[in-house]
Amino acid sequence: AQKVTQAQTEISVVEKEDVTLDCVYETRDTTYYLFWYKQPPSGELVFLIRRNSFDEQNEISGRYSWNFQKSTSSFNFTITASQVVDSAVYFCALSEAKYGNKLVFGAGTILRVKS
Amino acid sequence: KAGVTQTPRYLIKTRGQQVTLSCSPISGHRSVSWYQQTPGQGLQFLFEYFSETQRNKGNFPGRFSGRQFSNSRSEMNVSTLELGDSALYLCASSLTSGGITDTQYFGPGTRLTVL
Repeated sequence: AQKVTQAQTEISVVEKEDVTLDCVYETRDTTYYLFWYKQPPSGELVFLIRRNSFDEQNEISGRYSWNFQKSTSSFNFTITASQVVDSAVYFCALSEAKYGNKLVFGAGTILRVKS
Repeated sequence: KAGVTQTPRYLIKTRGQQVTLSCSPISGHRSVSWYQQTPGQGLQFLFEYFSETQRNKGNFPGRFSGRQFSNSRSEMNVSTLELGDSALYLCASSLTSGGITDTQYFGPGTRLTVL
């Protein structure tokens, strides 16, 4: 069964602090894809990153970095030097190749960055 | 390129009525998926359409239906509305269905309120 767990319901940090959002997934499939999306107050889900199950390379994009570890079924997201504009709800999601584009989302983590 | 567009953005209906929501995907995208977002259940997959065929369906009652047209635009319909159908309905589009490089891009959503 597909499942995504984001254990952190809400995180509050002060600007310029680093913050890591945790994501743990469950799947029986060998071919799957992992995603992170950001949902600002406007409501639209903004795509951040996609990872394939056979590509465990970590990725850095500006202040954002992602750590994918198949051994622990985790796909964590770190924001370095957080900014107020990073305040949003962040969702981790999983899709299995055999189910097309069906995304299974975690419950989301609310990130509040205070100035 | 224009993003995913959804109409209407806001809708107020009463119990027992039916509603139709519309989604226009990014130009060239052939897959459209629909999601329901509520505070209690989070983001849940409704269904996916690819080349006018329903490819996947989530665990929702038959009151929820959809279709896709030859230009890839999609509509979803909810009949006999219930209070619990109040939610943000998000549409997402991607090039293909479950392809190795597929990423879903979301629209701004339709906020449905059932009174």
